[in-house]
Amino acid sequence: QKEVEQNSGPLSVPEGAIASLNCTYSDRVSQSFFWYRQYSGKSPELIMSIYSNGDKEDGRFTAQLNKASQYVSLLIRDSQPSDSATYLCAVKSDYKLSFGAGTTVTVRA
Amino acid sequence: GAGVSQTPSNKVTEKGKYVELRCDPISGHTALYWYRQSLGQGPEFLIYFQGTGAADDSGLPNDRFFAVRPEGSVSTLKIQRTERGDSAVYLCASSLNLGQAYEQYFGPGTRLTVT
Repeated sequence: QKEVEQNSGPLSVPEGAIASLNCTYSDRVSQSFFWYRQYSGKSPELIMSIYSNGDKEDGRFTAQLNKASQYVSLLIRDSQPSDSATYLCAVKSDYKLSFGAGTTVTVRA
Repeated sequence: GAGVSQTPSNKVTEKGKYVELRCDPISGHTALYWYRQSLGQGPEFLIYFQGTGAADDSGLPNDRFFAVRPEGSVSTLKIQRTERGDSAVYLCASSLNLGQAYEQYFGPGTRLTVT
């Protein structure tokens, strides 16, 4: 499988702050990138997908993609305690997803 | 609408036994995927189907693992002669079709424990 690396956590941020999550990938031909949120004991839930270079915003979430640098990131603005979870970066190659190990985010009230 | 469903939610079995894990994809989704997730790791690809055929089974760890999707909907992952190292959460996902832009949605998973 292709390699996907995420910044090691855990990441602790105060409520209302911005949480910044980073991900790099090894397969240059990858075209599709996803962020999943996984609460403890639950399955991954898709929160963002991005296919083109640049930024994509959806509510409090912004995904950023730079294919030349093989880098994708997720920003969570106005972080809430309910955002406390593990965030998984996924890269699609040959129709299957390769995942990073995840970054655990804790939002302090 | 209904999401991906998986049964059982938990399965405890003894080493050497045979197990079957079932996945029912989102209605209308033609592509179905199996992943396995160990504690502290991201999901790891096992196999995917487009319709009834296994399009890519390169992630199956060995020949004890087999999966079928006989009618192009429900899929069963079969594990023979289970080993303690098979203990993990087995996740099923489906997407409307294959292709780079199609998103995969996960079911709740089956937690398999081999004692």
